[in-house]
Amino acid sequence: AQSVTQPDIHITVSEGASLELRCNYSYGATPYLFWYVQSPGQGLQLLLKYFSGDTLVQGIKGFEAEFKRSQSSFNLRKPSVHWSDAAEYFCAVGASSGYSTLTFGKGTMLLVSP
Amino acid sequence: GAVVSQHPSWVICKSGTSVKIECRSLDFQATTMFWYRQFPKQSLMLMATSNEGSKATYEQGVEKDKFLINHASLTLSTLTVTSAHPEDSSFYICSASSGTSSYNEQFFGPGTRLTVL
Repeated sequence: AQSVTQPDIHITVSEGASLELRCNYSYGATPYLFWYVQSPGQGLQLLLKYFSGDTLVQGIKGFEAEFKRSQSSFNLRKPSVHWSDAAEYFCAVGASSGYSTLTFGKGTMLLVSP
Repeated sequence: GAVVSQHPSWVICKSGTSVKIECRSLDFQATTMFWYRQFPKQSLMLMATSNEGSKATYEQGVEKDKFLINHASLTLSTLTVTSAHPEDSSFYICSASSGTSSYNEQFFGPGTRLTVL
């Protein structure tokens, strides 16, 4: 069975500073990996996804993530955080073949300080 | 991305009553819809997957007679919480997709907050 671990429940970053949110997954083969952002009153929005190919993927809003097979990780990064990035971030994994559902991590709440 | 709406956005009901939550894909045909439940500070837990015109597939531990799911059209799925009790209070989120593979992007609704008194 697939699983996702987001080790950080909360992270506080100063505005303008860089950000890295951690995500580790468990899956028997190469998974499909996703990062979503959830803001109050809004549905989850897909930031980026990895299916195959280049292990560094670019997403919306200036986010990027790197798939590292050896570490079973898919960490999300942003070089300069804006106050509007404060939200909850979810990493998710899906099977790369056949019928599949997504398994989500518990989320990391990002707080941005002035 | 595609737009998915949920109605109502919040609902308060008395214990023992039934509540229906609607999930609509507004600008695309959703062959597959998913229903999730999210507890405070917790992840999204998949409850069931529904494909248009067929019975929903429920995850282990989810009571299908309590959480009735109907996906009668390509744009509408409903979740009915029957005989709701306080422990059913939660945030319910739906998503819509054009397929059953995780390759097909899921578009999420804004969620429905259910409070059972």
